[in-house]
Amino acid sequence: AQKITQTQPGMFVQEKEAVTLDCTYDTSDPSYGLFWYKQPSSGEMIFLIYQGSYDQQNATEGRYSLNFQKARKSANLVISASQLGDSAMYFCAMREVFMDSNYQLIWGAGTKLIIKP
Amino acid sequence: DSGVTQTPKHLITATGQRVTLRCSPRSGDLSVYWYQQSLDQGLQFLIQYYNGEERAKGNILERFSAQQFPDLHSELNLSSLELGDSALYFCASSGRDKGEKLFFGSGTQLSVL
Repeated sequence: AQKITQTQPGMFVQEKEAVTLDCTYDTSDPSYGLFWYKQPSSGEMIFLIYQGSYDQQNATEGRYSLNFQKARKSANLVISASQLGDSAMYFCAMREVFMDSNYQLIWGAGTKLIIKP
Repeated sequence: DSGVTQTPKHLITATGQRVTLRCSPRSGDLSVYWYQQSLDQGLQFLIQYYNGEERAKGNILERFSAQQFPDLHSELNLSSLELGDSALYFCASSGRDKGEKLFFGSGTQLSVL
């Protein structure tokens, strides 16, 4: 079964509009973490935002915020006031414990976001 | 700059050859991960090392091997290369901050001709 699901393979959004990228996850571990990474066409993987399962408030990092709905097991990324430079692949990932205290990241398939001028 | 250094950035080689990809983790990070990303694919986890020891194995082929040295840098060896091995290979390191966040290198683009 998929542990991380990103249901939007691709999205087109008008510049300056807000964008929501969906991510749902599946885990029975009460302690987990959720990450979003951005991969522009240049190829590098850039960390955007992190949400711990016990964090009371939704994480925010500048224009990025994470809409964390624990009961629904969703961790959607919201980008406010989108810019042309936001065009990229976006990956959702979940940290889970593997072998004692060893951590692994489980990755979604990604969403390709294109910002239109 | 993530602090993770990968070399080389680009590698072009022929089928049947052997190559070595190198990674220096972020200062202080003990864990090194190797990932493969094929065209339009997500990240495929290959292998993880922690302080010189293999910690976890993912979808790593038998033709591939890796190691982490005492200075914590890591090398990924790919042998008997096939066309299908063409991909972007990432190294990442992690520490104890921000929930074990991975810091990625810029990747090595491998083209097997």
